Amino acid sequence: GAGVSQSPSNKVTEKGKDVELRCDPISGHTALYWYRQSLGQGLEFLIYFQGNSAPDKSGLPSDRFSAERTGGSVSTLTIQRTQQEDSAVYLCASSWSDSDTQYFGPGTRLTVL
Amino acid sequence: AQSVTQLGSHVSVSEGALVLLRCNYSSSVPPYLFWYVQYPNQGLQLLLKYTSAATLVKGINGFEAEFKKSETSFHLTKPSAHMSDAAEYFCAVSLYNQGGKLIFGQGTELSVKP
Repeated sequence: GAGVSQSPSNKVTEKGKDVELRCDPISGHTALYWYRQSLGQGLEFLIYFQGNSAPDKSGLPSDRFSAERTGGSVSTLTIQRTQQEDSAVYLCASSWSDSDTQYFGPGTRLTVL
Repeated sequence: AQSVTQLGSHVSVSEGALVLLRCNYSSSVPPYLFWYVQYPNQGLQLLLKYTSAATLVKGINGFEAEFKKSETSFHLTKPSAHMSDAAEYFCAVSLYNQGGKLIFGQGTELSVKP
């Protein structure tokens, strides 16, 4: 079956612009996670959605970062007023529940000039 | 808070040699432990996971890992390296009561020499 998909695969933006990154989880998966992979910080947890529960936003690095998940499926990660330190690969993962294996998408490579 | 330490950011082995990638964790409660592999320009793929059943866990591609509580370790091994094993490997921990979010180590890049 189809895996986790993310779009765009690459995004180049100018400092100060807003960007939206999209994640399509595996159909039926109730848990969805966003992570960030950067040279300086490695792989970091950003935010987690489980069903209709309030998301766990404990990993978001600043209030410029937000995410939503519509209809329990697709998720969008929004970064406002992008900074150069936001340059990274943003990975999305989904799982049947929060105790199951997470399946990762290919990521979106964000470059902020 | 839980954390993961991977010893060695780069490991190089010859084809056919033993692969040993080290991972130590810190957790106040029994954790779930994972090894993921990342090939160039690809996402993460699960190799194996430990969730409090058998302490020796077998994964895909001939890899296995042993959970040693006394040493707080979860080292990854493979008896005989293949060229296709060249990739970056990440050890991760999660707590069953914290929504499954993964805390990753810094990663170990494995090179395999012919």
